[in-house]
Amino acid sequence: QSVLTQPPSASGTPGQRVTISCSGSSSNIGSNTVNWYQQLPGTAPKLLIYTNNQRPSGVPDRFSGSKSGTSASLAISGLQSEDEADYYCATWDDSLNGPVFGGGTKLTVL
Amino acid sequence: QLQLQESGSGLVKPSQTLSLTCAVSGGSISSGGYSWSWIRQPPGKGLEWIGHIYHSGSTNYNPSLRSRVTISVDRSKNQFSLKLSSVTAAETAVYYCARDEGGGFDAWGQGTMVTVSS
Repeated sequence: QSVLTQPPSASGTPGQRVTISCSGSSSNIGSNTVNWYQQLPGTAPKLLIYTNNQRPSGVPDRFSGSKSGTSASLAISGLQSEDEADYYCATWDDSLNGPVFGGGTKLTVL
Repeated sequence: QLQLQESGSGLVKPSQTLSLTCAVSGGSISSGGYSWSWIRQPPGKGLEWIGHIYHSGSTNYNPSLRSRVTISVDRSKNQFSLKLSSVTAAETAVYYCARDEGGGFDAWGQGTMVTVSS
């Protein structure tokens, strides 16, 4: 059971916009910034969004993040087949005194 | 460009100690402002943070593993290590090392599969 809650799956067709939610509590998302990771099959996770809505160099602007209260969202616009991957949200948890992850969302491009 | 590479035993017997090392290249593990973490992922499951060590040498561990985990750093070799004692089959997983620059884990090793089995 993960500290952060994500839907286990999401899907969309090429060109569509999809969103993935991440729900937490006051001790984690409510008081800290959120990061998102993309994990392509068989590879290590890659930092996709940091500090709620910032993109590292090289990440397309099709990916965007937002946070409100104790929840966060990742949006992917102009969906492409190469976006098919697992997506994880993460943040610091003040009670745990360490980082926590969501359970991951498997995105399928139909 | 910073690179991390895990190494260690891929097969550990139940109740024994898992030992892994993460070699860092393209940057110094002693640089301030970073922490160096171990994260694991059981087959088909999500990510779990195990613990981290700061450049100062101070450590912080996941409370669920704290009694069995030790993370240490060897500055002369620019690497850090993980020891996890009394392992069980449920701890079969891909183990990753990663750097946290304060805004997330921005560099990861490729991961190493560790199987706990007799």
